[in-house]
Amino acid sequence: DSGVTQTPKHLITATGQRVTLRCSPRSGDLSVYWYQQSLDQGLQFLIQYYNGEERAKGNILERFSAQQFPDLHSELNLSSLELGDSALYFCASSVDGTSLYEQYFGPGTRLTVT
Amino acid sequence: QQQVKQSPQSLIVQKGGISIINCAYENTAFDYFPWYQQFPGKGPALLIAIRPDVSEKKEGRFTISFNKSAKQFSLHIMDSQPGDSATYFCAAKAFGNEKLTFGTGTRLTIIP
Repeated sequence: DSGVTQTPKHLITATGQRVTLRCSPRSGDLSVYWYQQSLDQGLQFLIQYYNGEERAKGNILERFSAQQFPDLHSELNLSSLELGDSALYFCASSVDGTSLYEQYFGPGTRLTVT
Repeated sequence: QQQVKQSPQSLIVQKGGISIINCAYENTAFDYFPWYQQFPGKGPALLIAIRPDVSEKKEGRFTISFNKSAKQFSLHIMDSQPGDSATYFCAAKAFGNEKLTFGTGTRLTIIP
């Protein structure tokens, strides 16, 4: 158990809908990362937050957004969902978001868009 | 330049044998190279990591070998066990750019 929690574990929704994925980092970690894992694209970095502020952006679609709250939990919002958004979404956390500290991954949320 | 190339895509090793997975990178700014292990339905779990100031790091049955000049690094699993059957990902990160860039993964199967 990495100490990173994600809810829900599974999510099934229809095209065009909007969903929110939630992540709680390990105790003491200030940085949160979101990754998408799909069969054709592998593990892709989406976005990073550090202590409530966006720090880095990867291949995140404009239909997707995220935020980190004062209690350091983070939410990833996916809107106008398409079939191709079906994937595993992972959250990871680290102490301060530098190369000195490892990233620890949560168990993921499996999103299925029908 | 951000890619990390991983091989093989799949690997079958006999119990007790040595499993070897290789990765290569182009970006010389990478300064942190972790390996993750992922079981079906689970998140990637950090296995072992290395920084370019050392050529080898060993933790139990797992060893990372790092060749800075060749821009290659590899994971060796000694005395491979059926419980090691999983997908392994190499990754790399550059200082100041905190995203992990992952390889495409290797599905390892250990047979009795």
